[in-house]
Amino acid sequence: SSELTQDPAVSVALGQTVRITCRGVSLRSYYASWHQQKPGQAPVLIMYGKNNRPSGIPDRFSGSRSGNTASLTITGAQAEDEADYYCNCRESSGNVVFGGGTKVTVL
Amino acid sequence: QVQLQESGPGLVKPSQTLSLTCSVFGASISSGDFSWTWIRQHPGKGLEWIGHMYYGGSTYYNSSLKSRVIMSLDSSKKQFALMLNSVTAADTAVYYCARSAEGYSYGWGLWGRGTLVTVTS
Repeated sequence: SSELTQDPAVSVALGQTVRITCRGVSLRSYYASWHQQKPGQAPVLIMYGKNNRPSGIPDRFSGSRSGNTASLTITGAQAEDEADYYCNCRESSGNVVFGGGTKVTVL
Repeated sequence: QVQLQESGPGLVKPSQTLSLTCSVFGASISSGDFSWTWIRQHPGKGLEWIGHMYYGGSTYYNSSLKSRVIMSLDSSKKQFALMLNSVTAADTAVYYCARSAEGYSYGWGLWGRGTLVTVTS
């Protein structure tokens, strides 16, 4: 079955840029969505579709896709961006799969 | 303010059926523009899509859970529900209900707070 692979953890200095990647065969055909989750809270949608950012999400978050890899970039990371980030996409079967999540630490 | 709220037993015995309801406040559930979704998260782990449905009645389930899952929607009560039968300890998780982004079924802009369901005898 298809799966999405994310790096378990990345760190970024305050104010710098970090890219979170998500790899999987399904990403060649379908766009990824990205959710941010802080401890003890429900996830929050950060990016979806081609490059759609929900209302209220800062424009320092951006998304892209190349081949079988989707990326979420945080440009000018803030302390409040420290969280787990999950990608997901649909498969041709109709299933929806999530990546294992990336823990972002802001130094 | 639009909100979702999960409700249901926090403890379920092995082999029994887990039943949860998600109540929708501040918005209509009678719209085909959204998918109404259940997602779970095992303790300390990542997210797992259980399935989603539309107001029109179409349902889509995770293939790994499909044989045990039923979702339903009651527009008069503004609720949608999850039933997962023959549960085991592996079904212990926080269960979230969520509404998709408008016109896009695979990203969820509105979530409930989640409810922990523990499968234990």
